[in-house]
Amino acid sequence: QVQLQESGPGLVKPSQTLSLTCTVSGGSLSSTYYYWSWIRQPPGKGLEWIGYISYSGSTYYNPSLESRITISVDTSENQFSLKLSSVTAADTAVYYCANLSPSYSDNSGFSDYYYMDVWGKGTTVTVSS
Amino acid sequence: DIQMTQSPSSLSASVGDRVTITCRASQSISNYLNWYQQKPGKAPKLLIYAASSLQSGVPSRFSGSGSGTDFTLTISGLQPEDFATYYCQQSYSTPLTFGGGTRVEIK
Repeated sequence: QVQLQESGPGLVKPSQTLSLTCTVSGGSLSSTYYYWSWIRQPPGKGLEWIGYISYSGSTYYNPSLESRITISVDTSENQFSLKLSSVTAADTAVYYCANLSPSYSDNSGFSDYYYMDVWGKGTTVTVSS
Repeated sequence: DIQMTQSPSSLSASVGDRVTITCRASQSISNYLNWYQQKPGKAPKLLIYAASSLQSGVPSRFSGSGSGTDFTLTISGLQPEDFATYYCQQSYSTPLTFGGGTRVEIK
């Protein structure tokens, strides 16, 4: 059973870079068809998908944040990371990592229906001086 | 980006009630639609994928329907543990997008 755990500083100063790591246990970052995502949730608000890194190392970033995001992977540590530069108070949020997985059936194998079925517990990041 | 609009944004219901939440996409997404439940201080939990497929371990009182642009999540016989916020999310195209959420409160 795959488990995810976010880690990183809980307080970041404005204009600095937010850096978070998600440690994967019970599974491999190189597993075919899986995408490793970051999602955030500002206090009292809804969910915003940040982006993913794929099993092959390709990335996709939400255009709303693309100029400030880097998602990378360290397969030796079974971790993937998020860096968000030039942060402001608007980046204050709970940050989640999640596994974007394809559905699977014995009859049809893997499908193209993707969902986030494994989430970390989330880590709160506050941007403040 | 595909915009996802949920309604209502909140509702009050009693234990045992049948509850329906609606999600509308700004363009057709076929049935690439997922539903999540989130309780305060917790990560979202997947309930339904591909619009109507129940995730393993999720009670059968949860059901989903719809295709194209209009989708519904139904809870048949609301239980105390179901009071939470529910989100729809489209997986038709990137960027993945969520609805604004529907908070289900105790009447």
